[in-house]
Amino acid sequence: AQKITQTQPGMFVQEKEAVTLDCTYDTSDPSYGLFWYKQPSSGEMIFLIYQGSYDQQNATEGRYSLNFQKARKSANLVISASQLGDSAMYFCAMREGQRKLTFGTGTRLTIIP
Amino acid sequence: GAGVSQSPSNKVTEKGKDVELRCDPISGHTALYWYRQRLGQGLEFLIYFQGNSAPDKSGLPSDRFSAERTGESVSTLTIQRTQQEDSAVYLCASSFRGGGHSYEQYFGPGTRLTVT
Repeated sequence: AQKITQTQPGMFVQEKEAVTLDCTYDTSDPSYGLFWYKQPSSGEMIFLIYQGSYDQQNATEGRYSLNFQKARKSANLVISASQLGDSAMYFCAMREGQRKLTFGTGTRLTIIP
Repeated sequence: GAGVSQSPSNKVTEKGKDVELRCDPISGHTALYWYRQRLGQGLEFLIYFQGNSAPDKSGLPSDRFSAERTGESVSTLTIQRTQQEDSAVYLCASSFRGGGHSYEQYFGPGTRLTVT
């Protein structure tokens, strides 16, 4: 079974609109962390946002917010007021315990001017 | 400050040759990870080092792959008798296992390996 599922291989969004990138996860560990990374065409992995399984509030970092629905095992990334520079691959990842990250297959986001 | 660095940035090798990839983590980061990213795909975990503990090698795809780390510094990933399916970008990441709980991993720029 896939531990991280990103069902949107590609998305096109008009500049300045908000966008939601989907991510569902599967774990039996009560302690876990969820991450979103951005990978532009240059290839580097850029950390965006983190949500811990015990965190009571949804994480926010500037224009990024994480819509964490624990019962549904969902951790969607919301980008408000999208910009052309947001065009990239976006990966959802989960850490169980203190070890490796398990990544989803990614969503390619293209912002249209 | 300095981030994670990797060398070489690109490596082209002939099938059957051995290659060595290097990673310099962020100073003070006790944890180091290697991942592989094939073209158009997500990242696959390869190996994890944490301080002086035994490494987690559960992601290494075959015994042709090995990695070493000296203390809490440089790591090398070695691929012996390379095959064409080894062609990928190899990414190294480090994290500080200490204050805070996010254990955010900081990634290097990667080494693009092409096996011809």
